[in-house]
Amino acid sequence: EAGVTQFPSHSVIEKGQTVTLRCDPISGHDNLYWYRRVMGKEIKFLLHFVKESKQDESGMPNNRFLAERTGGTYSTLKVQPAELEDSGVYFCASSQGSRSRQETQYFGPGTRLLVL
Amino acid sequence: QQPVQSPQAVILREGEDAVINCSSSKALYSVHWYRQKHGEAPVFLMILLKGGEQKGHDKISASFNEKKQQSSLYLTASQLSYSGTYFCGTEMSTGKLIFGQGTTLQVKP
Repeated sequence: EAGVTQFPSHSVIEKGQTVTLRCDPISGHDNLYWYRRVMGKEIKFLLHFVKESKQDESGMPNNRFLAERTGGTYSTLKVQPAELEDSGVYFCASSQGSRSRQETQYFGPGTRLLVL
Repeated sequence: QQPVQSPQAVILREGEDAVINCSSSKALYSVHWYRQKHGEAPVFLMILLKGGEQKGHDKISASFNEKKQQSSLYLTASQLSYSGTYFCGTEMSTGKLIFGQGTTLQVKP
C-alpha cells in the first residue's frame, strides 16, 4: 500500500511569489491534515479535512494560505504571496475513518519550502 | 495545550537506555509518539489512550500515567537507528495533534 506522498519535495521561491503544495493521502483515508515545522521548532497543526470538507482550519496563519481538497482525494495548499516566515517543512498526514480521534495519522515526507 | 517534552536533547552510546518524557498540566485525551529522522517523514511509534496503559514493541515502549498527564517513552539498548527527533502529540477534540517541542536523540557508536 502506498503511503502519503507530497509534491514537490523542495521548493525555493522569492518573497511575493506563489507556491502550491500537493498531498496525496493513503487511498481511502477520509482524514487529511496539514502541519508545518519551522526549523528547530515543533510540528504545528494547520488544518484538517474530512473528505472534501474543512473540519478545522484554526491553525492557518493568515489568508495568504488556501487549502483545498478536490473530491475528497488529494489536497493542495497554496501560499500567495509567500513571505519569508512561511519557510519551513510542510507535512501532510492522513488517517482512515470519519471518527478522526484515536486513529493513527500517517505522515508524508514533507515539502521543504524556502522563501528568499 | 502544548505538551512539554524533556529532555530537549540526549546523546547516548550504543546499548545505553534513554527515557523521554511528555507532560501536561491537564489530562491528555491520548498520546501519540513519533520519531523523525532528518529529511524524512515522522514515523508513528505508538498511541496510548488509557491512564495506566503501557505498550511497546521490540526495545521501544511507552507508558501513560493514571492521571493521563504524563507519558514516557523508553528506549532500551539503543541502536544507531534510534537517532532522530522524538515528538509526542496529544489529540484535540477534532482529531488534530498538538505536538511537544521534540527531543533530539543521538546514538553514537
